[in-house]
Amino acid sequence: GQSLEQPSEVTAVEGAIVQINCTYQTSGFYGLSWYQQHDGGAPTFLSYNGLDGLEETGRFSSFLSRSDSYGYLLLQELQMKDSASYFCGSQVTGGFKTIFGAGTRLFVKA
Amino acid sequence: DGGITQSPKYLFRKEGQNVTLSCEQNLNHDAMYWYRQDPGQGLRLIYYSQIVNDFQKGDIAEGYSVSREKKESFPLTVTSAQKNPTAFYLCASAGQYSGANVLIFGAGSRLTVL
Repeated sequence: GQSLEQPSEVTAVEGAIVQINCTYQTSGFYGLSWYQQHDGGAPTFLSYNGLDGLEETGRFSSFLSRSDSYGYLLLQELQMKDSASYFCGSQVTGGFKTIFGAGTRLFVKA
Repeated sequence: DGGITQSPKYLFRKEGQNVTLSCEQNLNHDAMYWYRQDPGQGLRLIYYSQIVNDFQKGDIAEGYSVSREKKESFPLTVTSAQKNPTAFYLCASAGQYSGANVLIFGAGSRLTVL
């Protein structure tokens, strides 16, 4: 079957660094993407890894290791507005289809 | 402004009634998707379409139907056969980023079956 595992909740302090892990078991794996969703809102794209290694986009970075079927999202200099749910998504079927994990709820405390 | 427009935002229906959710995009994207989200859970793929007049079932297609007669439009019908239709429904289209399909989501439609 297709599945992605990520922690259900993470709590961190404003200004800190937090890492959200994602392990996947998907056939036809093409790449790993990350989305952010605030309560009641729509998910928005954050980052994508098609190759092994680190991708950096401002305060957010994402990492992929295909051999370990593992990736993570790293958020630096946490701000209160980063409190949201974060979803990892496995792109399969030549990249046309994205299967999501259950999401990680991030709470940022002052 | 380019984007995905979903309507209605909120919808209440009685059990046994079919409901159609609208999704329109003006991004000129070929691929479009419907996801379902239940409280505290991830997004589950219902149907997707890579091109006009063609669509494929996702992981939870039972009780749903779609059509793709125009590139801009991908409506979802929640039929009476769907056993637990109360959920948040998200439509998306896919744009390209570094060789990957990046999903652009609409604001969602929240369906409550009474």
